[in-house]
Amino acid sequence: DAGVIQSPRHEVTEMGQEVTLRCKPISGHDYLFWYRQTMMRGLELLIYFNNNVPIDDSGMPEDRFSAKMPNASFSTLKIQPSEPRDSAVYFCASSLREANQPQHFGDGTRLSIL
Amino acid sequence: AQTVTQSQPEMSVQEAETVTLSCTYDTSESDYYLFWYKQPPSRQMILVIRQEAYKQQNATENRFSVNFQKAAKSFSLKISDSQLGDAAMYFCAYSSYNTDKLIFGTGTRLQVFP
Repeated sequence: DAGVIQSPRHEVTEMGQEVTLRCKPISGHDYLFWYRQTMMRGLELLIYFNNNVPIDDSGMPEDRFSAKMPNASFSTLKIQPSEPRDSAVYFCASSLREANQPQHFGDGTRLSIL
Repeated sequence: AQTVTQSQPEMSVQEAETVTLSCTYDTSESDYYLFWYKQPPSRQMILVIRQEAYKQQNATENRFSVNFQKAAKSFSLKISDSQLGDAAMYFCAYSSYNTDKLIFGTGTRLQVFP
């Protein structure tokens, strides 16, 4: 079975540019999560969806960040405009609906904003 | 709010020996789930083991086992017969029964020496 697929694996861009990170969850999974990992703050949940509907976006740092899930097999996390402090590894994870089934993580996108 | 604390930033173990990684958490809930995730240098997040709080029996998964002390809010991971491939960052995580959000500790870096 294919796992969670994230693209790109690495992204380097200049400050002020728009960045779009992509995620394809495991087929049949109901939940999708976006996390950010930095040395200073560790792993933080940014937002999560249930059946394509955003449930909790309280972790989204500011209005420059937005996430969408137009269908069950695709989600995007967009940063516009990007800033150097957004540099981090961004993970997408998915899980089944049943109570607290383990989350399966993608390989992450390492984002560097110059 | 729930918190997860890993007080050991780094640990080391000799190959074939046993090592225990500590994790404590704070919650007022009675039903919840606890997890250990492994993150090797490839940065993929891999589920190691999972514990339901309502189960008194400690979870085991091959060479990995936990010591779950609910009253003390402690959830340590024991790795037996350590192997070089066990070298990684290990994250303890908490999930409430009512939500699907994972709250991570800051991680413990495990080194395995031949």
